[in-house]
Amino acid sequence: GQQVMQIPQYQHVQEGEDFTTYCNSSTTLSNIQWYKQRPGGHPVFLIQLVKSGEVKKQKRLTFQFGEAKKNSSLHITATQTTDVGTYFCAGVWTSGGYQKVTFGIGTKLQVIP
Amino acid sequence: DAGVIQSPRHEVTEMGQEVTLRCKPISGHDYLFWYRQTMMRGLELLIYFNNNVPIDDSGMPEDRFSAKMPNASFSTLKIQPSEPRDSAVYFCASNSFSNQPQHFGDGTRLSIL
Repeated sequence: GQQVMQIPQYQHVQEGEDFTTYCNSSTTLSNIQWYKQRPGGHPVFLIQLVKSGEVKKQKRLTFQFGEAKKNSSLHITATQTTDVGTYFCAGVWTSGGYQKVTFGIGTKLQVIP
Repeated sequence: DAGVIQSPRHEVTEMGQEVTLRCKPISGHDYLFWYRQTMMRGLELLIYFNNNVPIDDSGMPEDRFSAKMPNASFSTLKIQPSEPRDSAVYFCASNSFSNQPQHFGDGTRLSIL
């Protein structure tokens, strides 16, 4: 079945360092979504990428969608303690006439002050 | 605007008991998703509905799990009989179209003793 692999599963960084998480899909995606889940909370939508090669920015966060629409990355510049949480990618693709969504395992980010 | 509402927030019960989780999606959202989240397996899609009709239940673990959506504003996920390995956080999410960002509820933290 469709898989979305996400690495790393855990990442500890010093405050101020950069952080990147990567997602790879076994098949071409329609789009990819990114979510953040704070400890004890629920996933919250961050952004959606649709176009091949698309790059979007939200303040210190940069999201990229690969040219083949099979991989994506989230990069955080100069991490802050407020960035702590688990970041999930969710790949969306079409199967049997329906759109399907598969979440990556998530990358748990710890920021050391 | 009210978000996705789940109840109960926490449930602790003994194995063998029936467990019913409830979800009220955002008004106007035609898609409703049930997820299970554990440390080992991450966020797993159990089932999703479109216009109250189950579309994909391939993620439902076994016959002990069942889900219904009797109307556009209410869904249940039932486990009978419950087992300790069912302990997890169960999320409900909704959106207006299946490839659009999902809005998650606060989840139900289920512990089966």
